[in-house]
Amino acid sequence: DTAVSQTPKYLVTQMGNDKSIKCEQNLGHDTMYWYKQDSKKFLKIMFSYNNKELIINETVPNRFSPKSPDKAHLNLHINSLELGDSAVYFCASSHELAGFYNEQFFGPGTRLTVL
Amino acid sequence: AQSVSQHNHHVILSEAASLELGCNYSYGGTVNLFWYVQYPGQHLQLLLKYFSGDPLVKGIKGFEAEFIKSKFSFNLRKPSVQWSDTAEYFCAVNPAFSGSARQLTFGSGTQLTVLP
Repeated sequence: DTAVSQTPKYLVTQMGNDKSIKCEQNLGHDTMYWYKQDSKKFLKIMFSYNNKELIINETVPNRFSPKSPDKAHLNLHINSLELGDSAVYFCASSHELAGFYNEQFFGPGTRLTVL
Repeated sequence: AQSVSQHNHHVILSEAASLELGCNYSYGGTVNLFWYVQYPGQHLQLLLKYFSGDPLVKGIKGFEAEFIKSKFSFNLRKPSVQWSDTAEYFCAVNPAFSGSARQLTFGSGTQLTVLP
């Protein structure tokens, strides 16, 4: 069974469009994350979210917004896509209760290409 | 805020050679340390992690890493690499006792190429 899944795996779209990437985890974790990996393989946190708080990396444009319908899902919505948004986006999850090791489990990634 | 440096951008080795990838971090408090591997076209997988205790930690596939607190380092080692170890390796760190969701900070990655 896939622990952290993302759809779609590939997404090709035009500049200016609005798109969403879905993420689901079946690990019972309470915290989920979105990371962006650029063309140089550099990984950067975008958001972390649990039922108590959303932490946003200050460098993330407000065109990006996470939406969590429930604890097992954290979707990423992107408005007015730009060329620079082309990257691989990884979802991850972890268990954040105090005292627990907070190893993060990653999804397979979504390769977004903006034309 | 924490930061992570991986000084080796690209390492090329022959099979059976020994490997050591450097990782240094900066943070004023206690940290958790991780090494992740990303095989071509795949997602990140955890190789090993350090939270506390023995500073020499062993991970999967024969990898190990040593936490040297005085040097703020967490170098990854493997005595004999294989062609299948060709991948991108990421060191990562997060604060150990932060009350809120703990965001991993990654290094810039090291591409390891093992020649058959």
